[in-house]
Amino acid sequence: QAQLVQSGGEVKKPGASVKVACKASGYIFNIYGISWVRQAPGQGLEWMGWISAYNGDTRYAQKFQGRVTVTTDTSTSTAYMELRSLRFDDTATYYCTRAGDALDYWGQGTPVTVSS
Amino acid sequence: EIVVTQFPATLSVSPGETATLSCGASQSVRNNVAWYQQKPGQAPRLLIYGASTRATGIPARFSGSGSGTEFTLTISSLQSEDFAVYYCQQYDDWPALTFGGGTKVEI
Repeated sequence: QAQLVQSGGEVKKPGASVKVACKASGYIFNIYGISWVRQAPGQGLEWMGWISAYNGDTRYAQKFQGRVTVTTDTSTSTAYMELRSLRFDDTATYYCTRAGDALDYWGQGTPVTVSS
Repeated sequence: EIVVTQFPATLSVSPGETATLSCGASQSVRNNVAWYQQKPGQAPRLLIYGASTRATGIPARFSGSGSGTEFTLTISSLQSEDFAVYYCQQYDDWPALTFGGGTKVEI
């Protein structure tokens, strides 16, 4: 059974960066991609970006281009999402997901609060 | 960007009834649509992919249909654990994805 376990919640000041980790287990990591999705409090789901765990190819939502970087460490089956220049409206729960066609496994979510 | 629209935003139903949720795409996405269920405080769960294929372990009372720009999720004989928010998502522009705004199914 695949499982994605994310790092713990973060509190950051505006302008700072946050890096969220997502450790995968229970499947062959480099066969699938990892997508990152966020959800602001009381709001819907928003796709941020994707990385191929096979060759490192990435694709980002236009909204986050230049501000987000997703990476993987295949030696530890871990994916990372770094978001820079944080704003108050980046306060959200950030999810990593296993990306085949659809998103079939989700991490538990990492709450990120941006507060001065 | 492909825009995905869900309606209604809220659906009030009673246990045992059938709920019909709708999803539309701004351009054809063929059958590249998935549906997710999210309960408060939990991560979303994949219900349907390929517009009509149930994910592993999903009960048969959940069914999906549609192609092109119009899609439907039907939940038959609603049970108490089915009251949740449901999201439609297109992946025709894979790996770029877009989600609908969600439909809350409430009593």
